[in-house]
Amino acid sequence: NAGVTQTPKFRVLKTGQSMTLLCAQDMNHEYMYWYRQDPGMGLRLIHYSVGEGTTAKGEVPDGYNVSRLKKQNFLLGLESAAPSQTSVYFCASSYGLTAPQPQHFGDGTRLSIL
Amino acid sequence: AQSVTQLGSHVSVSEGALVLLRCNYSSSVPPYLFWYVQYPNQGLQLLLKYTSAATLVKGINGFEAEFKKSETSFHLTKPSAHMSDAAEYFCAVSDRSFGNEKLTFGTGTRLTIIP
Repeated sequence: NAGVTQTPKFRVLKTGQSMTLLCAQDMNHEYMYWYRQDPGMGLRLIHYSVGEGTTAKGEVPDGYNVSRLKKQNFLLGLESAAPSQTSVYFCASSYGLTAPQPQHFGDGTRLSIL
Repeated sequence: AQSVTQLGSHVSVSEGALVLLRCNYSSSVPPYLFWYVQYPNQGLQLLLKYTSAATLVKGINGFEAEFKKSETSFHLTKPSAHMSDAAEYFCAVSDRSFGNEKLTFGTGTRLTIIP
């Protein structure tokens, strides 16, 4: 009963480095989301996808790119990491085809940019 | 644009006492509303959701929330706090438009239970 799995769980990067965060869900959900969580700011939507091959910008998309080549996977990329991107990143998925559907979250990736 | 406001970033209650976490929403149309809980080093888990079927919604772990349109509120309550309730709680709102299930989260309320 895996649900939503995020890889890696922790990562430390230097400014300017690139990396990709992987999210995988085994619930056959249509919709997937990437959020960042910062103290006192709740969760903010970075990008989301309403189906395989689609992506859309959320509230804070700058500095990030995403891809949804397979229905079960949603990748979040940082091309040139900046200290302002130090955060906890959460992936979520939802059934999507009828509303309202709750979102199911992974356990997060803690990313530090030095 | 829809939004939610959670009053009180930190709430402390004694074990066995009433838990009340406040959430007010702003939306041009009746929204869908959710409460999520986050335990340390974990993702968010759904506590309950409001979809207009009933104004009093019961969730997991003894929590419930009441939708009050006149007050634009969706406060979360639990009659008797337990130590295991210590966590951060998020209220979230979703647009009712089909195909637009983005959630907007409040800034969260950290609940501390005093033994």
